[in-house]
Amino acid sequence: GAVVSQHPSRVICKSGTSVKIECRSLDFQATTMFWYRQFPKQSLMLMATSNEGSKATYEQGVEKDKFLINHASLTLSTLTVTSAHPEDSSFYICSARIGQDIEAFFGQGTRLTVV
Amino acid sequence: AQSVTQLDSQVPVFEEAPVELRCNYSSSVSVYLFWYVQYPNQGLQLLLKYLSGSTLVKGINGFEAEFNKSQTSFHLRKPSVHISDTAEYFCAVRRITGFQKLVFGTGTRLLVSP
Repeated sequence: GAVVSQHPSRVICKSGTSVKIECRSLDFQATTMFWYRQFPKQSLMLMATSNEGSKATYEQGVEKDKFLINHASLTLSTLTVTSAHPEDSSFYICSARIGQDIEAFFGQGTRLTVV
Repeated sequence: AQSVTQLDSQVPVFEEAPVELRCNYSSSVSVYLFWYVQYPNQGLQLLLKYLSGSTLVKGINGFEAEFNKSQTSFHLRKPSVHISDTAEYFCAVRRITGFQKLVFGTGTRLLVSP
């Protein structure tokens, strides 16, 4: 199956700093990438959808200035958490899809801890 | 809008016993249905999906699910579980047409003990 690599798997940052998470499709070109947030023992909540070369579409309630998403190429999307605060601590997961394919493939997730 | 309900937050079961994880969905339009498994601190892996055709779908690791349109259910089953099946299981739906984002249930933690 298609492989989606997410990096880093874990990151600890100080409050007020920014952190970037990368999501790469290793063996396919992902026209669409999705970013999810997962709180402990809860489901995945879609944060935004990004299409290569265009601006991301954010879900209601997600601050676009705080969670910057860039999808500059067909194999890479990045999520930058700006001016992170402890409440931003969470598990972030990306997924990628080829065109209008039915299946999306998931990265292994990034555990962000803001101290 | 679509919604997914997984009523059981946790299902404890003994090794080699059968298990059923329940999933019900709500949607005014036709949807595809999925089951994903998540191991601790990892992303999601697709177990199986229902697109069309036979309502009994077989997936990886010996899991299967049955789509019941009248009951809007898509329950996941395995006849004999292993310790290694201990994980979080998510049911999800996606519209067939229009904006095609996955909508997830709240998850069911399957706990297999010896």
